[in-house]
Amino acid sequence: GAGVSQSPSNKVTEKGKDVELRCDPISGHTALYWYRQRLGQGLEFLIYFQGNSAPDKSGLPSDRFSAERTGESVSTLTIQRTQQEDSAVYLCASSVLAGGLSEQFFGPGTRLTVL
Amino acid sequence: SQQGEEDPQALSIQEGENATMNCSYKTSINNLQWYRQNSGRGLVHLILIRSNEREKHSGRLRVTLDTSKKSSSLLITASRAADTASYFCASENQAGTALIFGKGTTLSVSS
Repeated sequence: GAGVSQSPSNKVTEKGKDVELRCDPISGHTALYWYRQRLGQGLEFLIYFQGNSAPDKSGLPSDRFSAERTGESVSTLTIQRTQQEDSAVYLCASSVLAGGLSEQFFGPGTRLTVL
Repeated sequence: SQQGEEDPQALSIQEGENATMNCSYKTSINNLQWYRQNSGRGLVHLILIRSNEREKHSGRLRVTLDTSKKSSSLLITASRAADTASYFCASENQAGTALIFGKGTTLSVSS
């Protein structure tokens, strides 16, 4: 694939509903990251996957947030019982090497609006 | 907490002028990266500078790193309207699992 893709590009949901966001990383990238960006703010790290290692979930803001990744492919970020403060752009990135050792390639993001 | 803090938060210049953005970080790093973001969507990697490097160039971009001051700067020379974007510095978190981004500098270049 050409780059990291994310779907949907926009999601509007009602408070209390669950949402699922999808990320397709670049083929061959072992590391995958989810970030959240609120309006006018920097990126907040949410979760990191590296191959078959246990994910680093230290950035998840509450137990309503969870993410899965199958092998080195697609990842889904699930937000249960959405709240208005969950409104943000959710960005996925992948890289060849872990952490900051190599550049991260970002998807276009999913803009989530919780009414 | 944020690892990198950019300064200034916003910068407005005319085409042809140079733009300098600064970044400070808190802990030791292996490298520092700069990214650009247009319209609040995906980020694009600009440049990576390693901790043993002091300066790096890429086209109209020049990045410096001062590990003793825990600071970096990004210089864009001969700016263009198309350089209008937000610029972020980023470095590894302590676990080495992700990048920690600052809040960014919003650059506006007017023609």
